[in-house]
Amino acid sequence: QSALTQPASVSGSPGQSITISCTGTSSDVGGYNYVSWYRQHPGKAPKLMIYEVTNRPSGISNRFSGSKSGNTASLTISGLQAEDEADYYCSSYTSSSTYVFGTGTKVTVL
Amino acid sequence: EVRLVESGGGLTQPGRSLRLSCAASEFTFDHYAMHWVRQAPGKGLEWVSSISWNSGNIGYADSVKGRFTISRDNAKNSLYLQMNSLRAEDMALYYCAKGLRGVWYYGMDVWGQGTTVTVSS
Repeated sequence: QSALTQPASVSGSPGQSITISCTGTSSDVGGYNYVSWYRQHPGKAPKLMIYEVTNRPSGISNRFSGSKSGNTASLTISGLQAEDEADYYCSSYTSSSTYVFGTGTKVTVL
Repeated sequence: EVRLVESGGGLTQPGRSLRLSCAASEFTFDHYAMHWVRQAPGKGLEWVSSISWNSGNIGYADSVKGRFTISRDNAKNSLYLQMNSLRAEDMALYYCAKGLRGVWYYGMDVWGQGTTVTVSS
């Protein structure tokens, strides 16, 4: 199972909005609404930011939103803040009854 | 607050075995699927294995199938990963994660801090 494709890096200035893409196939992202997004700060465990494509867990800021079109899911962070600087990973269930993560995106706040 | 504490990691030689454990607390353990995810030094996340609430549905990554076995003991609120025939490429930080629901394909929400597995001769 190949990893989902994410851009290696995305950057933005404080207050701006950025979008991270997560491209898979019809056998994973495109075939199921079980796409999640995780944020990982250096040396820390991942934290769930979005689940089932668009849902935010309790306590997650509404600055984070998720969407999906075809085989590509996206995470948008609006009102970028210094604390958003981290690595972000998407994940999806697959038709092979496995799970797959994205390649990861490093977000830099300029 | 949900708490997951992994243990059992350490240094071992290629071909040997290790058993990881994950102690769960502050949630109804037998209602949720559980997962193992690993991260090699400086690399991304890699799904390893998942198990449904009643152990009735289990999945493995191709890279560990036939060598690793996931299990759970709901009476002890514990998750396990038996790792046999370890290879250098299995060296990573292993995270235990709680599932969003009882079946594991919905994904994972809360993660432990991980336990490190080092495979070297």
